Amino acid sequence: DIQMTQSPSTLSASVGDRVTITCRASQSVSNWLAWYQQKPGKAPKLLIYKASRLESGVPSRFSGSGSGTEFTLTISSLQPDDFATYYCQQYDSSSPWTFGQGTKVEI
Amino acid sequence: EVQLVESGGGLVQPGRSLRLSCAASGFTFDDYAMHWVRQTPGKGLEWVSGITWNSNTLDYADSVKGRFTISRDNAKNSLYLQMNSLRADDTALYYCARETFDSGAFDIWGQGTMVTVSS
Repeated sequence: DIQMTQSPSTLSASVGDRVTITCRASQSVSNWLAWYQQKPGKAPKLLIYKASRLESGVPSRFSGSGSGTEFTLTISSLQPDDFATYYCQQYDSSSPWTFGQGTKVEI
Repeated sequence: EVQLVESGGGLVQPGRSLRLSCAASGFTFDDYAMHWVRQTPGKGLEWVSGITWNSNTLDYADSVKGRFTISRDNAKNSLYLQMNSLRADDTALYYCARETFDSGAFDIWGQGTMVTVSS
């Protein structure tokens, strides 16, 4: 199975900061990569799909980039509502869906 | 409103069975592949199983293969997960999720149903 590794595991930041989270795949997943945001007690929310496509309704301060094995999620200017845990997820037809271990963005 | 609502969770003894259900509304259910994803309390997300719109392809995580069975009833707009031979490490919050067209991502999630396996 393809393993997904996120870094860092925890990130301390302030409102207005530019934040970058990295996700690495153990083998190429092309651009079959999604990013989710999860807040305590809530289901994950899709932010980015196909590595860089912004899901409808998601603020434009979120962006995704990368292909192959290395991907990034960037929040251009962190807002109070953005403090949450973020997960990457890959889909490759040769391997079942897998998630990264998560990155908690805290104050 | 597009919505997924899970049910069927609860406390069950090791070795016993449980059947989860997911009721879909607000969209054309039989247009989409569907999945189950679980989350251990305080931990990350683990994909469990997926099914294509027409039930032709069923996929399972290695951790549940041979014990869990996914199914759907498009006439009832419902997704199911039959869980047999439950173990303590199956304890988790189980979400159903809709797969988007042509991306492999999950765009709609339910609120989850909790399964606790304990004697």
